[in-house]
Amino acid sequence: GENVEQHPSTLSVQEGDSAVIKCTYSDSASNYFPWYKQELGKRPQLIIDIRSNVGEKKDQRIAVTLNKTAKHFSLHITETQPEDSAVYFCAAVNSGYALNFGKGTSLLVTP
Amino acid sequence: GAVVSQHPSRVICKSGTSVKIECRSLDFQATTMFWYRQFPKKSLMLMATSNEGSKATYEQGVEKDKFLINHASLTLSTLTVTSAHPEDSSFYICSAREGTANEKLFFGSGTQLSVL
Repeated sequence: GENVEQHPSTLSVQEGDSAVIKCTYSDSASNYFPWYKQELGKRPQLIIDIRSNVGEKKDQRIAVTLNKTAKHFSLHITETQPEDSAVYFCAAVNSGYALNFGKGTSLLVTP
Repeated sequence: GAVVSQHPSRVICKSGTSVKIECRSLDFQATTMFWYRQFPKKSLMLMATSNEGSKATYEQGVEKDKFLINHASLTLSTLTVTSAHPEDSSFYICSAREGTANEKLFFGSGTQLSVL
């Protein structure tokens, strides 16, 4: 089955700096890669997603890049703000259309 | 976006009792729903895939007799934790996919289960 690796597990940045979270996946058939933000005790919220026919997608301060050959995809957050602090999960869709999640990155943005 | 409602949000029960968690798609029909389990500060682990009108598909290591899943309609899936024990205490969260080809998943608000 699909195996999704995510790094780093924790990330601390100063307000205004950029944050980058990286993921790799194992199933070359995976074609959909969403990123979720989860605050403590809350449901995961989809923040951005990318399909395998696209190499990059941007939405304001958030961007995702995909290297299908290397089976890597990354989340980039620019001009970070304290409210960006949360746990971020990458995921890849498997053959059954369920999502397999990475282990999460706890992002802390300090003022 | 699509709304998925999950109930209850929190439940505390005695060891040996059964607990039912409901997951509803409010404004769309969900042919497939997914049940995840999340331990504190851990990732979401897929437990099973629930298909309307057929048996659920369980992930390796998940006991189907322990975690009963029913998906009797296009808007409702239920997860019943049978004979709950303290080790079943966890955050359970459902998600639903609209239609058959759209990969976007929408999550319920989760259920925090505490078994005493």
